[in-house]
Amino acid sequence: SAVISQKPSRDICQRGTSLTIQCQVDSQVTMMFWYRQQPGQSLTLIATANQGSEATYESGFVIDKFPISRPNLTFSTLTVSNMSPEDSSIYLCSVSHRSYEQYFGPGTRLTVT
Amino acid sequence: QKEVEQDPGPLSVPEGAIVSLNCTYSNSAFQYFMWYRQYSRKGPELLMYTYSSGNKEDGRFTAQVDKSSKYISLFIRDSQPSDSATYLCAMSIIQGAQKLVFGQGTRLTINP
Repeated sequence: SAVISQKPSRDICQRGTSLTIQCQVDSQVTMMFWYRQQPGQSLTLIATANQGSEATYESGFVIDKFPISRPNLTFSTLTVSNMSPEDSSIYLCSVSHRSYEQYFGPGTRLTVT
Repeated sequence: QKEVEQDPGPLSVPEGAIVSLNCTYSNSAFQYFMWYRQYSRKGPELLMYTYSSGNKEDGRFTAQVDKSSKYISLFIRDSQPSDSATYLCAMSIIQGAQKLVFGQGTRLTINP
């Protein structure tokens, strides 16, 4: 399995500001994913990040709010823009080696005040 | 109605007990079924993977899929305090699509 790191591990931000979360993998992977895990809720896929192309967003998530970059096969960023308290959540990146196996990073715990 | 339903618990059992965790789903197109284990303040860890119906065993863990009932289960035998975690079921339609739909997760505590 891949070793995945995320930065920052946690942050407290003021409403109206933006936060960029980084995801680094120790090997090249085809697909990277960004999920949100709200308190007491299941994981919800935000978008799929492919290297060299625009990210694919799920219903309810838009690029203006959650811009994503994927500059190479080992790195991706997710920005949470113009934050509100409703954005308080754990944000997780995952990577796929084989088609059915996804491995998750440790998550970024975000609190918006 | 959610696509995947999972009782959030919490579930508390004594050490050594057999634990049964379950999910139901509504989309008959799901073909690939996974169980993830998530310790507190950690990311989910892939535990078991099954394709279509049937059983799969890995050590103390057994995953079952009953597609006719749209019901999947994870059994943990000889449960240990180290099994205390949140268990999430996940499923997908197409192997290549890789979009996982997760259940809410069941918080499990094994008491010594």
